[in-house]
Amino acid sequence: EPEVTQTPSHQVTQMGQEVILRCVPISNHLYFYWYRQILGQKVEFLVSFYNNEISEKSEIFDDQFSVERPDGSNFTLKIRSTKLEDSAMYFCASSVNRVATGELFFGEGSRLTVL
Amino acid sequence: GENVEQHPSTLSVQEGDSAVIKCTYSDSASNYFPWYKQELGKRPQLIIDIRSNVGEKKDQRIAVTLNKTAKHFSLHITETQPEDSAVYFCAASAGHTDKLIFGTGTRLQVFP
Repeated sequence: EPEVTQTPSHQVTQMGQEVILRCVPISNHLYFYWYRQILGQKVEFLVSFYNNEISEKSEIFDDQFSVERPDGSNFTLKIRSTKLEDSAMYFCASSVNRVATGELFFGEGSRLTVL
Repeated sequence: GENVEQHPSTLSVQEGDSAVIKCTYSDSASNYFPWYKQELGKRPQLIIDIRSNVGEKKDQRIAVTLNKTAKHFSLHITETQPEDSAVYFCAASAGHTDKLIFGTGTRLQVFP
């Protein structure tokens, strides 16, 4: 069964450093997302991406965050200057159709620890 | 703003008993309501979903009901088993957007 894959599974970084989290969505999916989950809390929407542009972003997704689809397979989340409060599990997800009409498939997550 | 409330936060049941988790949502334009199961350190996995044109959906031991008038939906697990132990999240689509708003989660423990 096709899966969303994410790398790295765990990254430890110093505050102020740049981090790039990578995702390979399922190949025939057209909609891509990043969500995050602070330890013990709920899953929160960060950004959705369709047709090579951001379709929606949350208040969390400020100027420190950016997303890119550099080629036909990868989807990346960059945090320019990490803060302690960025420590969380970051989930990439993808879907064939818009979320209201299709299932969202999550990757295994990338745990980011900011020291 | 958009919000999904979920209760209870923890639920302990004996194996074989039923478990019910309830969610309410605020956005009347929400039309898609999935439920996810998340085991410790793992990804959320879809277990069942329902759309606003349906009042109830069942898949073996799992069922979901939706009351659009009251803006609430519930997950029912019958004949619970220890492997059902996990955190369960409800979610609602946010109006005419591509995002899901998640509830705060219910930690279900099924004791043998």
